[in-house]
Amino acid sequence: EAQVTQNPRYLITVTGKKLTVTCSQNMNHEYMSWYRQDPGLGLRQIYYSMNVEVTDKGDVPEGYKVSRKEKRNFPLILESPSPNQTSLYFCASSRQLKTVTANTGELFFGEGSRLTVL
Amino acid sequence: AQSVAQPEDQVNVAEGNPLTVKCTYSVSGNPYLFWYVQYPNRGLQFLLKYITGDNLVKGSYGFEAEFNKSQTSFHLKKPSALVSDSALYFCAVRDVGYSTLTFGKGTMLLVSP
Repeated sequence: EAQVTQNPRYLITVTGKKLTVTCSQNMNHEYMSWYRQDPGLGLRQIYYSMNVEVTDKGDVPEGYKVSRKEKRNFPLILESPSPNQTSLYFCASSRQLKTVTANTGELFFGEGSRLTVL
Repeated sequence: AQSVAQPEDQVNVAEGNPLTVKCTYSVSGNPYLFWYVQYPNRGLQFLLKYITGDNLVKGSYGFEAEFNKSQTSFHLKKPSALVSDSALYFCAVRDVGYSTLTFGKGTMLLVSP
C-alpha cells in the first residue's frame, strides 16, 4: 500500500529537549516536504527536498532542521523546541515533474504528528 | 509571489443541496491549481487539479472545480452534498515559476442531515 508514515503521531515534550519526527515514503517519490498546521493559519511549509541531498527552506524554517540522506526518508529535527512550535506537523511526498524542477502537485500526506512543547 | 485565498472559514449546506467552496488565487504566470480535503484526525488527500485545458475539472467523490481566469478563481463544487462530505477543504496554487505549492487557510464544510 502506498503510504507516507510519520512517527511519533503524538508527542509531549519540554522546552529545549531535542526531538526528531521521522517521515518515510514507499512510493519512490523524489519530492518530500514538511508542513505545520495551525488554527487560522492553514498549512505552512517548513522545508522541502527535491531529491536526495537537496533541501530548501519553506515559509517558516526557523527552529527546524531537515536532512535527506536517503530517498525514502525525510526527518524533521527540532534542536531546541520552544512552545511556539506546538503544532500539528505533516510530511508529504510527490513525484517530480520531468520537464521542470517542481513536483506534480499531487501530494501524498502522512497522518500527522501532534507535538506539544511545554 | 504566489498566494491563494479562501474567503470563507466555514460553509454550511443541507444534505442534497449543491455546495460551493470558494478559492481565489494570485500568480504572475499561469497557475496550477489544486483542491485537497482533510477529514478529522487525518492527513490531507488530493481531490483534483487544474493544469491546462477544460476549465471544468472533475475529481474524486463527485467533486468538480471551475477555473475562471478573468476572476482568478477556482471554486470547488458538488451538485448534491452528503453528510460524509463534511471536512476541511484546502485550495492550493503553484505558479509556473515556483517549485512548491502554497495552500490557503482552509474552509470547513459542514453538511447537515
